[in-house]
Amino acid sequence: EDQVTQSPEALRLQEGESSSLNCSYTVSGLRGLFWYRQDPGKGPEFLFTLYSAGEEKEKERLKATLTKKESFLHITAPKPEDSATYLCAGPNQAGTALIFGKGTTLSVSS
Amino acid sequence: EAQVTQNPRYLITVTGKKLTVTCSQNMNHEYMSWYRQDPGLGLRQIYYSMNVEVTDKGDVPEGYKVSRKEKRNFPLILESPSPNQTSLYFCASSLGRVTEQYFGPGTRLTVT
Repeated sequence: EDQVTQSPEALRLQEGESSSLNCSYTVSGLRGLFWYRQDPGKGPEFLFTLYSAGEEKEKERLKATLTKKESFLHITAPKPEDSATYLCAGPNQAGTALIFGKGTTLSVSS
Repeated sequence: EAQVTQNPRYLITVTGKKLTVTCSQNMNHEYMSWYRQDPGLGLRQIYYSMNVEVTDKGDVPEGYKVSRKEKRNFPLILESPSPNQTSLYFCASSLGRVTEQYFGPGTRLTVT
């Protein structure tokens, strides 16, 4: 079964305390790995697409990386406004839809 | 501004009363999709459409209908809503089936 698994489910950080979120997937022949940010009650906002092992993308304090089996979202010196749920997604085996992980809820306190 | 819009944003209804949630995108995307999001279950796809007049079931299609008569619009229809369809619904669109999807703001539906 195609699966995307995220860990941890929740993460609490102090402002400035860097950390990483993990996304692992079981779909073979991955054709893209997507990261989204979702604020409470709002639609997911697209952050990054990664296609190849070794690829990295950056945006402000966020950096996404991809290996053959998993992806990481590194958050460097986070601020309270980075608090959100971060979702990752990958195509299903049939290539007809994106499968979303359940997300990591990040809370950053000042 | 490129966007996906949904209406209504909030809806409270009663069991069995047919309703439609509209979705429209202005990015000329071919692929559109409906998801529901429930606590602990994440985003689950209800239906998707790869082009006008082409729709197919996602993971949780029971109790829902869709249509795609125009490229920009993809309404979600609940012909006889039940309380287990209380959820947060999102419409999304993308250029292709497995490219980055852009989401609408969501519709919070409560069925009593």
